[in-house]
Amino acid sequence: EAQVTQNPRYLITVTGKKLTVTCSQNMNHEYMSWYRQDPGLGLRQIYYSMNVEVTDKGDVPEGYKVSRKEKRNFPLILESPSPNQTSLYFCASSLGRGRTSGNNEQFFGPGTRLTVL
Amino acid sequence: GENVEQHPSTLSVQEGDSAVIKCTYSDSASNYFPWYKQELGKRPQLIIDIRSNVGEKKDQRIAVTLNKTAKHFSLHITETQPEDSAVYFCAASRSSNAGGTSYGKLTFGQGTILTVHP
Repeated sequence: EAQVTQNPRYLITVTGKKLTVTCSQNMNHEYMSWYRQDPGLGLRQIYYSMNVEVTDKGDVPEGYKVSRKEKRNFPLILESPSPNQTSLYFCASSLGRGRTSGNNEQFFGPGTRLTVL
Repeated sequence: GENVEQHPSTLSVQEGDSAVIKCTYSDSASNYFPWYKQELGKRPQLIIDIRSNVGEKKDQRIAVTLNKTAKHFSLHITETQPEDSAVYFCAASRSSNAGGTSYGKLTFGQGTILTVHP
C-alpha cells in the first residue's frame, strides 16, 4: 500500500531532551516536507526537500533540523525542544521531478502529536 | 515571502446550499494553488488544485476559480452535504519556471471550518 508513515504518533517529552520524529514514504517521491499545525494558524511549513541531500527552510525552521540521506526517509530533529514546539506535526511527500516537484499533490502522513513540558 | 489569507475562518450552511471560501496571496510568482480538506482527527487530503494557466477548474460539486490579476482564488462547493463538514485549507506555491528562489515552499491559509447542517 502506497503511504507515508510517521513515528511516533504521540510523544510527551520534557524541555531540552533531544528527539527525532521519523517519516518514511514508499512511493519513490522526490519531494518531502514537514509541517506543523496549530489552532488558528493552519499548516506551516518547517523544512522541505526537493531530493536526496537537498533541503531548504520553510516558513518556521527555527529549532528544527532535517536530513535527507536517502529518498524514502526525511526525519525531523528537535535538538532542544521547548514548550512552544508543542504541536501536531505532519510529514508529506509528492511526486515530481526537479524544480516543479513541489507543485503536485502532497500525500500526508497520519501526524505526530508532540507535547513538550 | 508568500502570504496567504483565507476567509471566512468559520462557515455554517444548510444541507443543499452552496459554500464559498476565498483566499488571497501576495507573491505574483505563485503558480500552483491546491485546496486540502481535513476531517476531524485525520490528515489533510487534496480535493482540487489549479495552476496559473487556467482560470477555473471543476470536479463534480467542487470548483476553484483563480483571478491572477487580483491575486485571489476561491473554492466553491455546491449542493453541500453533511460529509462536506471539515476544515478546508488553501495554499500557494511556485515552481522554478516562475524564476527566483524558494520554489518548493508551500504556504497555507489559516483554514476554514465548514459545518453543513442536515
